[in-house]
Amino acid sequence: KAGVTQTPRYLIKTRGQQVTLSCSPISGHRSVSWYQQTPGQGLQFLFEYFSETQRNKGNFPGRFSGRQFSNSRSEMNVSTLELGDSALYLCASHRVGIGNTEAFFGQGTRLTVV
Amino acid sequence: QQQVKQSPQSLIVQKGGISIINCAYENTAFDYFPWYQQFPGKGPALLIAIRPDVSEKKEGRFTISFNKSAKQFSLHIMDSQPGDSATYFCAASKRGANNLFFGTGTRLTVIP
Repeated sequence: KAGVTQTPRYLIKTRGQQVTLSCSPISGHRSVSWYQQTPGQGLQFLFEYFSETQRNKGNFPGRFSGRQFSNSRSEMNVSTLELGDSALYLCASHRVGIGNTEAFFGQGTRLTVV
Repeated sequence: QQQVKQSPQSLIVQKGGISIINCAYENTAFDYFPWYQQFPGKGPALLIAIRPDVSEKKEGRFTISFNKSAKQFSLHIMDSQPGDSATYFCAASKRGANNLFFGTGTRLTVIP
């Protein structure tokens, strides 16, 4: 069974641009969460989607947004990139959406903003 | 504010020794406490998890000890091996929710 797939693996963007990251969850998993990982702030929750609806949202500015498609694939978008957005963005999928279930993480997308 | 506090930041252990990582939390709504292992260039992978109705859970060389009254939990790695060298994160989530609150991580180095 394929794991969580995130594309692209690496990305370099210029300050002020926007970026879209993609996540394909494990087959059959309907819940997808996104996290930002930085050396300074650690792993921080961005948002969770279940059945194409945002179920939960972390404490990030509105420049960070996401969506989920009917096949459970998810995208996150960051607009007006800032240098501080440089981070590893991780996607996790859950078998069910009711909570407290194991999170299976992808390898992440390394975003560098210059 | 860090909802889950983790210590130490780094740990060096001899091969065959016991590695101990500690975490503490304040929010009594937390109902699920997993530990994740992360190697460089990889995403975190679940090692072991516990719910507050038990005080200890063991899987192979990995044991979680949970103290509900003290709001603390810890990971013990017995017979530590060089292959265990990685960053370990404790985490917690609230009842009915999937979003995880992570500790700041412990970089474990096991020397041969």
